[in-house]
Parts: sequence; C-alpha cells; structure tokens
Amino acid sequence: GQQLNQSPQSMFIQEGEDVSMNCTSSSIFNTWLWYKQDPGEGPVLLIALYKAGELTSNGRLTAQFGITRKDSFLNISASIPSDVGIYFCAGQGNYQLIWGAGTKLIIKP
Amino acid sequence: DTAVSQTPKYLVTQMGNDKSIKCEQNLGHDTMYWYKQDSKKFLKIMFSYNNKELIINETVPNRFSPKSPDKAHLNLHINSLELGDSAVYFCASSRSSYEQYFGPGTRLTVT
Repeated sequence: GQQLNQSPQSMFIQEGEDVSMNCTSSSIFNTWLWYKQDPGEGPVLLIALYKAGELTSNGRLTAQFGITRKDSFLNISASIPSDVGIYFCAGQGNYQLIWGAGTKLIIKP
Repeated sequence: DTAVSQTPKYLVTQMGNDKSIKCEQNLGHDTMYWYKQDSKKFLKIMFSYNNKELIINETVPNRFSPKSPDKAHLNLHINSLELGDSAVYFCASSRSSYEQYFGPGTRLTVT
C-alpha cells in the first residue's frame, strides 16, 4: 500500500539536543498527524495539523504542515530521555491514514 | 479511564488454531480500525468499520474477519493461524475520518 517517505529512519542524539524529522508525499493531504510509540504501547497522537502552512506546538514539540500540502516536519527541542521511541507521521487520505515508516529516536549514553 | 482497550495483551498459540482479539472504545467514536504492525514497525491498515459497515478492507487473507457487535466494539477473528501472522495487532478508533486513537496492542505469537 501507499506509504509516506519519512526521514531519518533513526537518530542517535545527546540529551539536550534539538531533533528534526520530516515526511514527504507525492499526494496532497488535508490533514497531517504526528504520533509517538513507546516500546510495548500503541501510537499516541502528539500533534494534528489541518491547514497548509500551519505551525503547531505541544510543549517542546513543534510541527508544521508544509505549504505544498505534501510534507510535514516535526521538531523536538532540548530532548530528554523520555523522548526515545518511534515517531510516525500520517496523512489523512480519503478513508484511511497513510503512514510513514517511522523515525526511531535513541539517546546516546 | 481507558479510551481504547484490547484483550488479550499477549496471545501465544499454535499453527492451525483459531483465535479472537477483542477491542472496545469508550470515546463515542463511529469508526474503528484494525492494524497489523510487523517486526519492522510498519503499520498496515487491515480493516475499518463505520456504523457497523466495513468501509476499508485491505488485501488481507480471508482467514481474518472483523466482527462488530456494536459501535463500541470491533473484534478480530483469525482462522487457521500461520507463522506469518505473528505480529502486534492494534485497534484504533476515530470520529469519522479524523485523528485515530490507538489501543495498547495485542502481541500475537504463533508457534
């Protein structure tokens, strides 16, 4: 099935660093969603974006809906150990979400 | 209060058996979904139900059958389990086609 291009696939970061990840699509979406999955848990919705160009924050997280409606970005500022996990982007299609393959965030020891 | 719940959390069974996974949501949503997440963490939509009607049915084997007794429940029944069915299965729900909320997952291991 269709899948979004999400990058990077994984990231090793130091505590306190800022993190950026993005998703791109060949299709236009009206909604972009960002989820986080902790080990052994289901994905949890972090941010929902509904308008092209929209910039939305949730604590240290900031996400943007690309102006072309074909991409979205998620930034995490001043990362902390509990930020580790897998981050998924998803675009709202006609009847279903189209998912990225995930970005795995790992904190360097 | 649990929004989307699934049972069981873990399920270990032998090839050829039939098993069911249950899902319930108390969010008042009208659409529920089943996803399969493989070992590479890809999330693959399997089914969704809107007002007790199947509206998405991806190319999954017909050994998998969703059953929705009411708007708050969507169960997944699997016949003749195979080794390749081993995965984590997630239930999710949403209000129409808006953002989806996920359950904690059921880890199925077929031996």
